[in-house]
Amino acid sequence: TQLLEQSPQFLSIQEGENLTVYCNSSSVFSSLQWYRQEPGEGPVLLVTVVTGGEVKKLKRLTFQFGDARKDSSLHITAAQTGDTGLYLCAGAGGYSSASKIIFGSGTRLSIRP
Amino acid sequence: EADIYQTPRYLVIGTGKKITLECSQTMGHDKMYWYQQDPGMELHLIHYSYGVNSTEKGDLSSESTVSRIRTEHFPLTLESARPSHTSQYLCASSLAGGLVEQFFGPGTRLTVL
Repeated sequence: TQLLEQSPQFLSIQEGENLTVYCNSSSVFSSLQWYRQEPGEGPVLLVTVVTGGEVKKLKRLTFQFGDARKDSSLHITAAQTGDTGLYLCAGAGGYSSASKIIFGSGTRLSIRP
Repeated sequence: EADIYQTPRYLVIGTGKKITLECSQTMGHDKMYWYQQDPGMELHLIHYSYGVNSTEKGDLSSESTVSRIRTEHFPLTLESARPSHTSQYLCASSLAGGLVEQFFGPGTRLTVL
């Protein structure tokens, strides 16, 4: 069974600080996504990474897919209160429509003003 | 903004009642999903559908049932609600394929007394 473990589970930091959250597995994934979910809403896609070693930037957010395609990280520079939310990674085992999509356990991020 | 809708947003109901949670999308997506999520926790897939007349059970066993008579509509029914069913229920849809973007509705927060 494929599992995605996210760490830390909870993180509370001051506005302006940097942070990194992780998504790890013992399984290889064909691609991986990061979603952010705000309270009372559904998750919204931030990025999809498909190539081992790939790095993608979205303003202050930097996403990296591990070389072995078993892990990913999300780095936020100069965190803002608007970054508060639940961050979920999701991985697919294959490319076909029947491929299972696995969601990680989530990191709850709180940015203090 | 995603065109996927869920009603009701909040539902408080007594034990033993039959309930149907509605989910509709106007994007013409073939794939639709139901997830169960306790507040701030990971998503658990309970049902999914590849298209009309296709329904499959997800990874988390659920006493709920689903139907897919029309592409745009994927309702979830609980024949007899119990307090253990209290949770948030998220509906999502996507194009066919491996790891494609899932568009989530805002969720239904269900409380069974």
